[in-house]
Amino acid sequence: NFMLTQPHSVSGSPGKAVNISCTRSSGSIASTYVQWFQQRPGSAPTTVIYDDNQRPSGVPDRFSGSIDSSSNSASLTISGLKTEDEADYYCQSSDSRVIFGGGTRLTVL
Amino acid sequence: EVQLLESGGGLVQPGGSLRLSCAVSGFTFSTYAMSWVRQAPGKGLEWVSGLSASGGSTSYADSVKGRFTISRDNSKNTLFLQMNSLRVEDTAVYYCAKGRTTVTLGGQGTLVTVSS
Repeated sequence: NFMLTQPHSVSGSPGKAVNISCTRSSGSIASTYVQWFQQRPGSAPTTVIYDDNQRPSGVPDRFSGSIDSSSNSASLTISGLKTEDEADYYCQSSDSRVIFGGGTRLTVL
Repeated sequence: EVQLLESGGGLVQPGGSLRLSCAVSGFTFSTYAMSWVRQAPGKGLEWVSGLSASGGSTSYADSVKGRFTISRDNSKNTLFLQMNSLRVEDTAVYYCAKGRTTVTLGGQGTLVTVSS
């Protein structure tokens, strides 16, 4: 099994953009889809990106996902930051089983 | 809209058992693989178990193998997790998820507390 490594925390100012990385330890990041989940304090996690770069209905287009084969990583970019974006974010992929990254705490300063 | 409603959690002593249920609506349950995911207090998400659409293929995290059993009733659109020989470290909120590789979360989860 591979691991997904995320930064413990990131921060950004309202109106700015932040990027959260998710690096795969072995095997190609492009070989299986990456999902991103948002978990606000005290709430259950919800999907903000699926299949690398697709947004579920209801998720604003300020959220975007991408993969970079050169760094073997996926990224979640949130533009036009709002205070409501302050949350934990988890990436997820799979091989024979579901694998989650450790999570990144986003602080909107 | 995908709806996942978990139930069955509670307080149980170490060594005890619980059976979790997940009632599903908003998609054709019988055609999708399903999973259970958990989150210990203050920790990240951890995959627990997965099950094929037919129920014929299962997989488990090493931490629960031999103690937990995943199953489904496609006639009732319900997913189950039978948890035996529970340990303190199994304390977590348990979420059911649509899918077994790409997973969709959306329920509120059910809290399992293992304590004496």
